[in-house]
Amino acid sequence: QKEVEQNSGPLSVPEGAIASLNCTYSDRGSQSFFWYRQYSGKSPELIMSIYSNGDKEDGRFTAQLNKASQYVSLLIRDSQPSDSATYLCAVPPGPFSGSARQLTFGSGTQLTVLP
Amino acid sequence: GAVVSQHPSWVICKSGTSVKIECRSLDFQATTMFWYRQFPKQSLMLMATSNEGSKATYEQGVEKDKFLINHASLTLSTLTVTSAHPEDSSFYICSARDWAGYTFGSGTRLTVV
Repeated sequence: QKEVEQNSGPLSVPEGAIASLNCTYSDRGSQSFFWYRQYSGKSPELIMSIYSNGDKEDGRFTAQLNKASQYVSLLIRDSQPSDSATYLCAVPPGPFSGSARQLTFGSGTQLTVLP
Repeated sequence: GAVVSQHPSWVICKSGTSVKIECRSLDFQATTMFWYRQFPKQSLMLMATSNEGSKATYEQGVEKDKFLINHASLTLSTLTVTSAHPEDSSFYICSARDWAGYTFGSGTRLTVV
């Protein structure tokens, strides 16, 4: 089992629709979760972080975390063509893993918002 | 927010030569710097973790003698690709932990010809 898995893409949604991106993780000790957006040829940029169960909203973005199910998602409301990018779920290991706390990335979901 | 400055943003080198990539944390001290490599259409793969003042820790399958990492200060980490070959052509990205999470450099596109 991969440490961080994302729903396979690519994902296409019409402009104005809701895009839903999903991610599961294997380390039950993980306490922080990140969503990054990566445009082609660019490095990742942080768009959401979440630490507690439930929803966290920031503008058009909502992150949802369910630690019992080891599941984290990202919803993008009113999707715009400029949201077209690859979205990466990233999870650092839990505090007792003994590692250096590096991020483990999912394979990414390529989102295309159609005008 | 936290900024990690990475240079150069792109480089073309001849096979057999060495290339150095620098990452500087501009407004925070980066005790640990992570180096990733990304091939086209793939996700980021961790190559190594560098710690200020000590030897880097390399991931399995990454040649430490080929990818030399130096983290001599709390604000500077360098990755040197030695004796580069075309298969080393990739997008190299550094990252450091800051107060908000993890900040990434802008990446270096290396092309070996």
